[in-house]
Amino acid sequence: GQQVMQIPQYQHVQEGEDFTTYCNSSTTLSNIQWYKQRPGGHPVFLIQLVKSGEVKKQKRLTFQFGEAKKNSSLHITATQTTDVGTYFCADLLRGTASKLTFGTGTRLQVTL
Amino acid sequence: KAGVTQTPRYLIKTRGQQVTLSCSPISGHRSVSWYQQTPGQGLQFLFEYFSETQRNKGNFPGRFSGRQFSNSRSEMNVSTLELGDSALYLCASSLSRPGGVYEQYFGPGTRLTVT
Repeated sequence: GQQVMQIPQYQHVQEGEDFTTYCNSSTTLSNIQWYKQRPGGHPVFLIQLVKSGEVKKQKRLTFQFGEAKKNSSLHITATQTTDVGTYFCADLLRGTASKLTFGTGTRLQVTL
Repeated sequence: KAGVTQTPRYLIKTRGQQVTLSCSPISGHRSVSWYQQTPGQGLQFLFEYFSETQRNKGNFPGRFSGRQFSNSRSEMNVSTLELGDSALYLCASSLSRPGGVYEQYFGPGTRLTVT
């Protein structure tokens, strides 16, 4: 079956440093979604990318969908302690039914 | 609007028992999906319900089942519990938005511990 891997598994940065997580799929991605899960919390939807090569920005977060639709990335500029959490990418398969295949996640720790 | 609610929040069961978890979606959302989250396997899709019908199912044994009621509330049941079923069970309700965005709203989850 489809495997969606994220690297790195864990990253520890100082506040103000940049952070990037990469999402790679064994098969072509349909639509890519990104979620953030705070420690002890539940996943919260961040964004959905649909088109090959698409780039979207949300304040300090930049999301990119690969040209071949087999990878995606999330870049955070100048991290803050509020960015702490685990970031998941997920492949959204839509049709008559919906199914999210989540990536393995990247845990981000930010210290002052 | 109230968010997705799940009950109970915490549950401890013994191997061999069965358990029923409940999920109330956001008002107006007709699609409800269930996920299992464990440290080892991550977030895995269990099933999706829409208008009381199971539309999609993940790769879980038949011990895992679910249903959806006419008010969109959903339950999932796990029979003959095994130690490996210990996990956070998350429910998500969904609504299609303009532009094809399909945002899933997750509930706080039910933490199930099997001893």
